[in-house]
Amino acid sequence: QITLKESGPSLVKPTQTLTLTCSFSGFSLSTSDVAVGWIRQPPGKALEWLALIFWDDDRRYSPSLKSRLTITKDTSKKQVVLTMTNMDPVDTATYYCAHTARLNTGWPFDYWGQGTLVTVSS
Amino acid sequence: SYLLTQPPSVSVAPGQTATMTCVGNHIATKNVHWYQQKPGQAPVLVVYDDFDRPSGVPERFSGSNSGNTATLTINRVEAGDEADYYCQVWDSSTEPVVFGGGTKLTVL
Repeated sequence: QITLKESGPSLVKPTQTLTLTCSFSGFSLSTSDVAVGWIRQPPGKALEWLALIFWDDDRRYSPSLKSRLTITKDTSKKQVVLTMTNMDPVDTATYYCAHTARLNTGWPFDYWGQGTLVTVSS
Repeated sequence: SYLLTQPPSVSVAPGQTATMTCVGNHIATKNVHWYQQKPGQAPVLVVYDDFDRPSGVPERFSGSNSGNTATLTINRVEAGDEADYYCQVWDSSTEPVVFGGGTKLTVL
């Protein structure tokens, strides 16, 4: 079955760079029509999409955060890495990675990791 | 960027029908997905591509999409349905993934 798990620091200081790793199993990111995305959720707030990487290495970013984000994949290690630069306390959130694939015509996030809480504080 | 608007809260008595809306410009032209999120848990997909259900999701959950409004309907609401519900679309432009602000469903 498909599983995903996020890992990374639970605490970062303002201005630092955050690096999160999504380790997955049960699918290959070299299979066509498959992608992995990152979504975050500040405490008590709504979901916010951050980035997406496709099987063909196409990458998409949230326009509001594009300058700070980089998403990469290591197909052999079954990992997707998200880096976010210049962290600020407003970036405090639970960060999720999720699997998506073209089902019929849409791309729903059908499997999610458990999430990892990242706190930005000095 | 594309905007999705959801009512902040919906309340319903057990056994009744809960209706949650997701409003977006010409949303009927897009594929809408719905997620259920219970406190402290990751979101779970309950409806995709407007009205399809992943395996394991009860038939009480259904979706529709027309004009500028997509709707998630839960029939015969149970206490265990109490959660936040988010709609999401795939907008094949500069911002492919958009989430709504979420609706908190309270079962009275």
